[in-house]
Amino acid sequence: ETGVTQSPTHLIKTRGQQVTLRCSSQSGHNTVSWYQQALGQGPQFIFQYYREEENGRGNFPPRFSGLQFPNYSSELNVNALELDDSALYLCASSGQLPPLEQYFGPGTRLTVT
Amino acid sequence: SQELEQSPQSLIVQEGKNLTINCTSSKTLYGLYWYKQKYGEGLIFLMMLQKGGEEKSHEKITAKLDEKKQQSSLHITASQPSHAGIYLCGALGYNFNKFYFGSGTKLNVKP
Repeated sequence: ETGVTQSPTHLIKTRGQQVTLRCSSQSGHNTVSWYQQALGQGPQFIFQYYREEENGRGNFPPRFSGLQFPNYSSELNVNALELDDSALYLCASSGQLPPLEQYFGPGTRLTVT
Repeated sequence: SQELEQSPQSLIVQEGKNLTINCTSSKTLYGLYWYKQKYGEGLIFLMMLQKGGEEKSHEKITAKLDEKKQQSSLHITASQPSHAGIYLCGALGYNFNKFYFGSGTKLNVKP
């Protein structure tokens, strides 16, 4: 049990729709990262937030956006969903930069039809 | 960008046997992280290595980072069915604001 929770667990959306995924970090962790993991692959870094500001981004288009809130929760928003967005979305929190350890949530499984 | 290559991609071993998983980086690593993932679930942190030549152990799992900090190995001694899962190596980008994962090694342990 890492103390990092994600909601919802599963989600089915239609191509073109928008989706918001949520993550609640461990208390006191001021850094949260989001990852996309397609079936059979390693997680791909989407972006990282530190003290409510985006401070790092992977190779994902602008339709992937995020927010981090002062209460250690965060959101991942994806607009104009595409079929290839179907994946497991993971968030991870850490208490420092650079992280000695990242604590991962259980993930949200997104299916786009 | 950082690239991490893991080998083998998959591994099936008999319970009780030893095994090694390798992770090779295209660049010198700030730190190398090992995670375990059960199918479709979140990642569990195993170990982090920072110094060249460093070695860490936890229960029956030992991880090493080579002197040049570009290769790491994860060794499991006397494997058990509970060791089954996907093992992922990860590394920070040089600005510490990106994180990269290898593609994973799928381990099955036959009782």
